[in-house]
Amino acid sequence: GESVGLHLPTLSVQEGDNSIINCAYSNSASDYFIWYKQESGKGPQFIIDIRSNMDKRQGQRVTVLLNKTVKHLSLQIAATQPGDSAVYFCAENGLSGGSNYKLTFGKGTLLTVNP
Amino acid sequence: DGGITQSPKYLFRKEGQNVTLSCEQNLNHDAMYWYRQDPGQGLRLIYYSQIVNDFQKGDIAEGYSVSREKKESFPLTVTSAQKNPTAFYLCASSNRGIDKNIQYFGAGTRLSVL
Repeated sequence: GESVGLHLPTLSVQEGDNSIINCAYSNSASDYFIWYKQESGKGPQFIIDIRSNMDKRQGQRVTVLLNKTVKHLSLQIAATQPGDSAVYFCAENGLSGGSNYKLTFGKGTLLTVNP
Repeated sequence: DGGITQSPKYLFRKEGQNVTLSCEQNLNHDAMYWYRQDPGQGLRLIYYSQIVNDFQKGDIAEGYSVSREKKESFPLTVTSAQKNPTAFYLCASSNRGIDKNIQYFGAGTRLSVL
């Protein structure tokens, strides 16, 4: 079945370092991916998205890389700040029943930034 | 929280009681969703609605019910049939008719059993 998972459940980095959060997906038919950030006690917040016809997309301090050959997605955060501490989820566009509305979420990676 | 309001923030349910979680959005989005999040887990889809007066079961719909009488509102009822309701409930909405599905989330409702 379809699944989205993460390689590392926790990641601890020093302030100012770059962070890399990984995600594996199993449905080769998925064509759209989203990264969300969830701070403690809050709802997920959209960070960046990427379509399957792209390998890389950059935002402000964030870059998402997509490797369709090995079905792997990563989120890179440059110059990580304490405010980046949160759980990061990748989500995959589910193509169930022809609908493009359903997202399948991974379990998340907890990023902790040490001052 | 992107124009999506969930209430209450905390909710307590007694044995055998039905409780309703509110979700309102002012983003003019057609699609709305309810997710359940358990500690250390990802989001699991309970119900979703692509348009007013229509909704579909998600992956864990048993023990829950929804309605979509207005575009702006998508309330979730946790019924007494849901034996393990303690969780963080998240509502989301998205545009319809485009080929991307960015879902925007509310701040969540934390439900506990007394």
